[in-house]
Amino acid sequence: GESVGLHLPTLSVQEGDNSIINCAYSNSASDYFIWYKQESGKGPQFIIDIRSNMDKRQGQRVTVLLNKTVKHLSLQIAATQPGDSAVYFCAETYSGNTPLVFGKGTRLSVIA
Amino acid sequence: ETGVTQTPRHLVMGMTNKKSLKCEQHLGHNAMYWYKQSAKKPLELMFVYSLEERVENNSVPSRFSPECPNSSHLFLHLHTLQPEDSALYLCASSQDLGLAQNIQYFGAGTRLSVL
Repeated sequence: GESVGLHLPTLSVQEGDNSIINCAYSNSASDYFIWYKQESGKGPQFIIDIRSNMDKRQGQRVTVLLNKTVKHLSLQIAATQPGDSAVYFCAETYSGNTPLVFGKGTRLSVIA
Repeated sequence: ETGVTQTPRHLVMGMTNKKSLKCEQHLGHNAMYWYKQSAKKPLELMFVYSLEERVENNSVPSRFSPECPNSSHLFLHLHTLQPEDSALYLCASSQDLGLAQNIQYFGAGTRLSVL
């Protein structure tokens, strides 16, 4: 079946550096993508989303890039802080009519 | 706070017990979800409710029984669980189904241990 997967299960970065978390998706019909952050002891929190008619979207210190040609999604975090330490999930759906399909998650560890 | 509250936060139960998980959302959303999150697995969708009607059941064993009495409340009734059911159970809500931008908001989850 179709699935969403992550390239790197763990990522360690120095505080202040930029982080890049990657996600590959296999359903070419998916047209909406979300990044979630899950801190220890909490549920997933919405970070940023992007629709397939865009290839880039920026938020506060975060940028999501979408490459539909290779079915790849990335989350860039600028000036990574200790509070960014968490597990990050990408999720995809098709026109909101299908349930969100979540990737396995990448654990980001920020080294002070 | 996400506007989605789950209780209890932690639950330990024996295999013969009956317990219920509760979820309440204060966001005015029409869709609610139950997910299971276990170690090393992606989030597994269990049930979806829209306007109090169940619209999806992802082949979940009958020992899990959901209930949605109104659009703000969602329960998961547990009966005769197995140790492999130990996991974090997450509730989420979204404005509606069928929206192109259907952001789901999650509660903090109930950590369930089945002995």
